Amino acid sequence: DAGVIQSPRHEVTEMGQEVTLRCKPISGHDYLFWYRQTMMRGLELLIYFNNNVPIDDSGMPEDRFSAKMPNASFSTLKIQPSEPRDSAVYFCAVGKSGTNYGYTFGSGTRLTVV
Amino acid sequence: DAKTTQPNSMESNEEEPVHLPCNHSTISGTDYIHWYRQLPSQGPEYVIHGLTSNVNNRMASLAIAEDRKSSTLILHRATLRDAAVYYCIRVAGGTSYGKLTFGQGTILTVHP
Repeated sequence: DAGVIQSPRHEVTEMGQEVTLRCKPISGHDYLFWYRQTMMRGLELLIYFNNNVPIDDSGMPEDRFSAKMPNASFSTLKIQPSEPRDSAVYFCAVGKSGTNYGYTFGSGTRLTVV
Repeated sequence: DAKTTQPNSMESNEEEPVHLPCNHSTISGTDYIHWYRQLPSQGPEYVIHGLTSNVNNRMASLAIAEDRKSSTLILHRATLRDAAVYYCIRVAGGTSYGKLTFGQGTILTVHP
């Protein structure tokens, strides 16, 4: 199993541009989480899905952020328009209910908005 | 999820045991305790979790106090690769699955 695959690994974009981050979860895992990490705020949960349905999006900072999970194999986090304060590392994580194991995180996407 | 309290940093020598404490004095009966660690430039990595009993796996042991108000992650023989930020997290609810709310964690430094 390749684990949680995030793309791109690094993204540099100009302020005002649309940014789309992608996550391919581990097959059979029914929970998917999007986190953001900055030095100032640490790891913050943005949104999570269960069986492709958004359960809690209270961590999404504002309307510029949106996340989708059209199927069990793919999720996206979109920022439109992007701002410099969105610069952070964005992690996707997955979990599988009914198992005695924790969540698996991807390697993250480092986003820089200039 | 409510917070846990951990020391900001700890140091250890290689090959020695490390005991990382966590205080969760307001924990409810159905909350699980999860531990994750984050190595430099990597995503968080699951270490261990438990509810009431002490737990062991290949990475570490988790000792949970009888009143469940505190727990200790035990690395039996620290290696340089164990240098990381360790997060103790309460997972609320009657299931071991729910959202993880990360605090600041404990920065573990391992000396050769």
